[in-house]
Amino acid sequence: KNQVEQSPQSLIILEGKNCTLQCNYTVSPFSNLRWYKQDTGRGPVSLTIMTFSENTKSNGRYTATLDADTKQSSLHITASQLSDSASYICVVTFSGGYNKLIFGAGTRLAVHP
Amino acid sequence: EAGVAQSPRYKIIEKRQSVAFWCNPISGHATLYWYQQILGQGPKLLIQFQNNGVVDDSQLPKDRFSAERLKGVDSTLKIQPAKLEDSAVYLCASSRRQSETQYFGPGTRLLVL
Repeated sequence: KNQVEQSPQSLIILEGKNCTLQCNYTVSPFSNLRWYKQDTGRGPVSLTIMTFSENTKSNGRYTATLDADTKQSSLHITASQLSDSASYICVVTFSGGYNKLIFGAGTRLAVHP
Repeated sequence: EAGVAQSPRYKIIEKRQSVAFWCNPISGHATLYWYQQILGQGPKLLIQFQNNGVVDDSQLPKDRFSAERLKGVDSTLKIQPAKLEDSAVYLCASSRRQSETQYFGPGTRLLVL
């Protein structure tokens, strides 16, 4: 069954600290993996996208990694800011057909001053 | 470039009533998606349109949900009659093509009492 699991479910960190969010998937075949940021009351916004041949992708203070062999991805946030408080959703594109997106449940991050 | 527009932003109805949501995708985007996001979960695809044709509606509860995109531009999603478990955020997204990044609207938050 094609699934995406994320951990932790929620996380609280202090402003300025780093954190890493995890994503494990069983989607096969897959064409790419995305990390989305969803602020409260807003729609998700794409942060990074990686194909199966890419190991890492950065977007400012956000760095995503992908290990296609172990089917794991991580999102590392450096020097967190209060505005990083949001849900981070890992999304894997199932390419066995018409490119269906499989969403994780997300990690809810709270950055405290 | 204008983003994906959705209305209304909030809706409160009683069970067994009907409700309709509207979405206007980014201009030129051929693919349009409707998602249901229950609190604490990732979005679940309800229906995907390619222009005015349905690509995937396998997870749409067809006994009560319907959607259309008659002219291949904006779309409406209807629930008739609503149940308590339909309380969720309904997200609309669009992409230029099926395999490309999806851009999400702000969502419609539905509460069924």
